[in-house]
Amino acid sequence: NAGVMQNPRHLVRRRGQEARLRCSPMKGHSHVYWYRQLPEEGLKFMVYLQKENIIDESGMPKERFSAEFPKEGPSILRIQQVVRGDSAAYFCASSPSRGLEGLGNQPQHFGDGTRLSIL
Amino acid sequence: AQKITQTQPGMFVQEKEAVTLDCTYDTSDQSYGLFWYKQPSSGEMIFLIYQGSYDEQNATEGRYSLNFQKARKSANLVISASQLGDSAMYFCAMREQRDDKIIFGKGTRLHILP
Repeated sequence: NAGVMQNPRHLVRRRGQEARLRCSPMKGHSHVYWYRQLPEEGLKFMVYLQKENIIDESGMPKERFSAEFPKEGPSILRIQQVVRGDSAAYFCASSPSRGLEGLGNQPQHFGDGTRLSIL
Repeated sequence: AQKITQTQPGMFVQEKEAVTLDCTYDTSDQSYGLFWYKQPSSGEMIFLIYQGSYDEQNATEGRYSLNFQKARKSANLVISASQLGDSAMYFCAMREQRDDKIIFGKGTRLHILP
């Protein structure tokens, strides 16, 4: 998993606070994906971004959640006014290009995740 | 409908035995990719193996092989000569040609017994 860097590894917030999760993709990768994993569940897609563009946000909750991938710097997943149900592991993945052409034997590479706990 | 189905929530296997983890998928796309990821207790997601829908040969990576049966829409993971370090959650996943996201199954928790 070397290459996709997520921080912090663990984040504790109280209800009503904001959580900001960061993801730096692998070198040379311009596509970033965020996933959420609830306890004992698989990962669920949230949002797909390229630099300065949101391509697909079909998995994002309608309220309180936002994501960005600026021209410079990491991608940020932001959760405002957190609630207990936001407690989960949030994974970021990156890939070099879009679609299956960019896959071959190079899947999306995942970071180690951020474990968000809401008190 | 579930896109990825893993019917074994948990498995216990004796060390050194071979293991087959089941996965079936559902797609109407002609072109798609299938993946297996391992998630140990430390939580990271480790890519194991990839199979493209047009690949004629079953994918292999060391002790991992993917038993791809396209007509049955099945992509089982086979781990040969299991080791204690193989104890983990295993996720089957799919990416369709028309889409960018990876869809994950619910996972199988594998326990290797000494």
